[in-house]
Amino acid sequence: SQQGEEDPQALSIQEGENATMNCSYKTSINNLQWYRQNSGRGLVHLILIRSNEREKHSGRLRVTLDTSKKSSSLLITASRAADTASYFCATGLSNDYKLSFGAGTTVTVRA
Amino acid sequence: DAMVIQNPRYQVTQFGKPVTLSCSQTLNHNVMYWYQQKSSQAPKLLFHYYDKDFNNEADTPDNFQSRRPNTSFCFLDIRSPGLGDAAMYLCATTGRGNEKLFFGSGTQLSVL
Repeated sequence: SQQGEEDPQALSIQEGENATMNCSYKTSINNLQWYRQNSGRGLVHLILIRSNEREKHSGRLRVTLDTSKKSSSLLITASRAADTASYFCATGLSNDYKLSFGAGTTVTVRA
Repeated sequence: DAMVIQNPRYQVTQFGKPVTLSCSQTLNHNVMYWYQQKSSQAPKLLFHYYDKDFNNEADTPDNFQSRRPNTSFCFLDIRSPGLGDAAMYLCATTGRGNEKLFFGSGTQLSVL
């Protein structure tokens, strides 16, 4: 069943601005992952953060995880038109091979 | 080079006519997944394989079945597609359970 809930549902920003989106989940997790999906395509893995980590960086991406609040955020800095996509968080449980995805945040970066 | 390949990219079928979607992977991963994604919704897990062990989600309709003849290939069979089955079907794989997933480009299924 879907565990992650994302906020906002949609986000429109100017090129060069930062984009922040949040994910909340319900149960204890082993890891939390963020994926990007361009329109009509498959999902691409962006970053994975484990339950014992609080922050992780990858290029222009910064992910935080607060297990006490059961929430995570994804920050995209200095956004580009090519960042226009839907972003999904996904949670992995211990001893489980499944990932549960949230409904996603649609980001539009205006040139 | 694509590591998870789904064919076809677009599939049109008629109401009630069986259809098969295919997925292949070059990563030699143990775990393969089929997700269904409807417009503006979260991908929903239908089933997954660990090697040949098949795991069906409790709410996956009986109309959906899957086959994994070997490590590289996995098929999704929809026995009698209904209009509500029109969706993007995504295949994914991972070498270590619930770690990074590699997705194919998806098959967009239309049911007429």
